[in-house]
Amino acid sequence: DAKTTQPPSMDCAEGRAANLPCNHSTISGNEYVYWYRQIHSQGPQYIIHGLKNNETNEMASLIITEDRKSSTLILPHATLRDTAVYYCIAFTGANSKLTFGKGITLSVRP
Amino acid sequence: DAMVIQNPRYQVTQFGKPVTLSCSQTLNHNVMYWYQQKSSQAPKLLFHYYDKDFNNEADTPDNFQSRRPNTSFCFLDIRSPGLGDAAMYLCATRKTRTGNQPQHFGDGTRLSIL
Repeated sequence: DAKTTQPPSMDCAEGRAANLPCNHSTISGNEYVYWYRQIHSQGPQYIIHGLKNNETNEMASLIITEDRKSSTLILPHATLRDTAVYYCIAFTGANSKLTFGKGITLSVRP
Repeated sequence: DAMVIQNPRYQVTQFGKPVTLSCSQTLNHNVMYWYQQKSSQAPKLLFHYYDKDFNNEADTPDNFQSRRPNTSFCFLDIRSPGLGDAAMYLCATRKTRTGNQPQHFGDGTRLSIL
């Protein structure tokens, strides 16, 4: 699976949109972009995934560039409970191994 | 309602004393995974079961074993825990081995070694 690169940390104000970037320049055509988050002392929580098209669910939106070399996870109205480590993972599903990188620590400030 | 349940949430054992961690799932998923997560690090896959087929990661120490007696339950056995095995252990499930589905994680068991 392709390597992903994320900044180590970012912060945003409560109520504002949080835009979390991810680079995956070596992603292959059959690899999906998955996002998970891990709140302190909890297990990783699935957020969203996509292949080519932008995706939206009740938690977030995922914007994938046309060349698929990068993506952005958008939390439209961040709350204090969104403070967590967010992992961007390129995953085919074929070999069933979800490999976590270092992720990005999002801090939402009041 | 929790769909991947790990018990206990906190486990303390003595150096060298065998310990078993438990995971159960209500999702009827075919695949179950065990990850190890040390402090300030990302989760690291130890092994997984696809149905009854056991798949070990190449760098998983022999000290770590697993059992899956049925679809719902999976156990992680650490035969002789060392201080370096103190970590959060995460169980996850997935409906099938292939395809476009996410993994679902439990909240983990934090293991301390005295």
